[in-house]
Amino acid sequence: DGGITQSPKYLFRKEGQNVTLSCEQNLNHDAMYWYRQDPGQGLRLIYYSQIVNDFQKGDIAEGYSVSREKKESFPLTVTSAQKNPTAFYLCASSMAGYEQYFGPGTRLTVT
Amino acid sequence: AQTVTQSQPEMSVQEAETVTLSCTYDTSESDYYLFWYKQPPSRQMILVIRQEAYKQQNATENRFSVNFQKAAKSFSLKISDSQLGDAAMYFCAYGAGGYQKVTFGIGTKLQVIP
Repeated sequence: DGGITQSPKYLFRKEGQNVTLSCEQNLNHDAMYWYRQDPGQGLRLIYYSQIVNDFQKGDIAEGYSVSREKKESFPLTVTSAQKNPTAFYLCASSMAGYEQYFGPGTRLTVT
Repeated sequence: AQTVTQSQPEMSVQEAETVTLSCTYDTSESDYYLFWYKQPPSRQMILVIRQEAYKQQNATENRFSVNFQKAAKSFSLKISDSQLGDAAMYFCAYGAGGYQKVTFGIGTKLQVIP
């Protein structure tokens, strides 16, 4: 089945550690996106990528990094520079001019 | 910058009744798309309906329909014959440009009362 997978579903880290969230899609979509969701704030765009080896900062990129070495994969690293990393993270993908399809999300808790 | 406003934090509807969720947006673009997404307790984001700004006809998908008022920059979602499975957060979203950099509203939580 075609779709977007995110792993793991739940992730726990100690403060000061970098952590990488996985996102893979087999929809042959060109574009991929990372969002952060906090209570009462909807979805906020962290990074997006339209083609392999290219990506752009979204509205809240500070403390995050991404790579796009393959069309199917768009991992997100939450660095120790991110002040409030505990959140629900959603990955999405799309073709040009079409709606975004979302993965199931990863809940990151940093203590 | 584009903004999307959902002014109803929570709504409730009796099962089998109709409910309308409101959304307004601000943009200077003439070509754009509008979406309603549903997020049930599983937190999986599901596309409910999509509207192209150049189309005058309102989009419909089974029990879901929109009232798109381009001049007023309004995009409301009507859910008819509400079902228990409709209970979820609903997000209005705006997208423009080839790769749909999308702006989301803060959501409306819909409760369906049996």
